[in-house]
Amino acid sequence: AQSVAQPEDQVNVAEGNPLTVKCTYSVSGNPYLFWYVQYPNRGLQFLLKYITGDNLVKGSYGFEAEFNKSQTSFHLKKPSALVSDSALYFCAVRGGATNKLIFGTGTLLAVQP
Amino acid sequence: SAVISQKPSRDICQRGTSLTIQCQVDSQVTMMFWYRQQPGQSLTLIATANQGSEATYESGFVIDKFPISRPNLTFSTLTVSNMSPEDSSIYLCSVRVEWGEGYEQYFGPGTRLTVT
Repeated sequence: AQSVAQPEDQVNVAEGNPLTVKCTYSVSGNPYLFWYVQYPNRGLQFLLKYITGDNLVKGSYGFEAEFNKSQTSFHLKKPSALVSDSALYFCAVRGGATNKLIFGTGTLLAVQP
Repeated sequence: SAVISQKPSRDICQRGTSLTIQCQVDSQVTMMFWYRQQPGQSLTLIATANQGSEATYESGFVIDKFPISRPNLTFSTLTVSNMSPEDSSIYLCSVRVEWGEGYEQYFGPGTRLTVT
């Protein structure tokens, strides 16, 4: 069965500092990996995805994520955090023969000014 | 991309009643899904809405409680039947836009349901 783990419930970072939000996955076959962001009282917004190709993928709002097959990880990164990046971030995976997108438990990113 | 709208955006309902949530997409899509996000939790897939046939439900969700319609490739409804306070959640419609070997999945703004 496919699964996603986000080991940190919350990540705190100072504005201007680099940020990392961790995600590991377990699927059979090649994974399709996604990051979404949810601002308060809003729906989910698509940030970026990995299907095939370069392990480093770039997405919206300056975010990027690195696919590491040996570590089964897909960590979300940004070189310089903004206060406006404060939100709930979800990692998701689809793998194997299933059409289902499975979500992690979410990580709350808090960027302090 | 796909632009998804949901109605209503929020509602407060009494236990024992039913609410139907509508999802409209601005383009034809093959795959439509309904998710639930309970307070402070992640998203859980309720079912895949199949055009012209019965929805495919995930474990723990049944058609009698969450009937779904998908009359065409741009519209779907989810009904939450015989509601209880445990049904208080955000319900999200989602669509998959595919191309070649890749795809992206988009979400509507959600319907925030409170059951009293």
